[in-house]
Amino acid sequence: DAGITQSPRYKITETGRQVTLMCHQTWSHSYMFWYRQDLGHGLRLIYYSAAADITDKGEVPDGYVVSRSKTENFPLTLESATRSQTSVYFCASSEGTYMNTEAFFGQGTRLTVV
Amino acid sequence: SQQGEEDPQALSIQEGENATMNCSYKTSINNLQWYRQNSGRGLVHLILIRSNEREKHSGRLRVTLDTSKKSSSLLITASRAADTASYFCATDARKLIFGQGTELSVKP
Repeated sequence: DAGITQSPRYKITETGRQVTLMCHQTWSHSYMFWYRQDLGHGLRLIYYSAAADITDKGEVPDGYVVSRSKTENFPLTLESATRSQTSVYFCASSEGTYMNTEAFFGQGTRLTVV
Repeated sequence: SQQGEEDPQALSIQEGENATMNCSYKTSINNLQWYRQNSGRGLVHLILIRSNEREKHSGRLRVTLDTSKKSSSLLITASRAADTASYFCATDARKLIFGQGTELSVKP
């Protein structure tokens, strides 16, 4: 199916465990983004990527690791999950050009760290 | 810190009324985008306005941009209950930073 998909949709993990959230897009968009959304904070950018093998920090990168070996995938890893990382995570992609900047969002992953 | 900040944080109106929300930003931009988020869902793109444009329309949406004041407004005319959602502005398309959003509630 065309589009952007996140997996899993829901995840419960324990403090200290490593967890990876997956994001896959079928458009070959250059740009991909990871956000977390918490009450009172809106969407905060964690990491973004301009192309395969190019990633950069966003507003709240601490505690997260990303990679982008293929254009279509942009996994987000919490190396040692903490309760403060309980949140809803959204992935997005866009062409990122001057003429076409519309971003498309996945359905979100609700992560609970206990 | 976030590039775009929406105001007000929450807005409650009756169906048929107009809803206006504002976005302020800090640095120069190439364009500004507005997105909508229905509860628990991903954001959906509404409209983009470029820095050389002052006003843009799309259906019941009207967006204005004042680069001298570093602000934009989104007007939804003749609102419907289905417009109930959170609305976000975003600047810097390559980094795509959002504000905290305006939560709009349209009562039937």
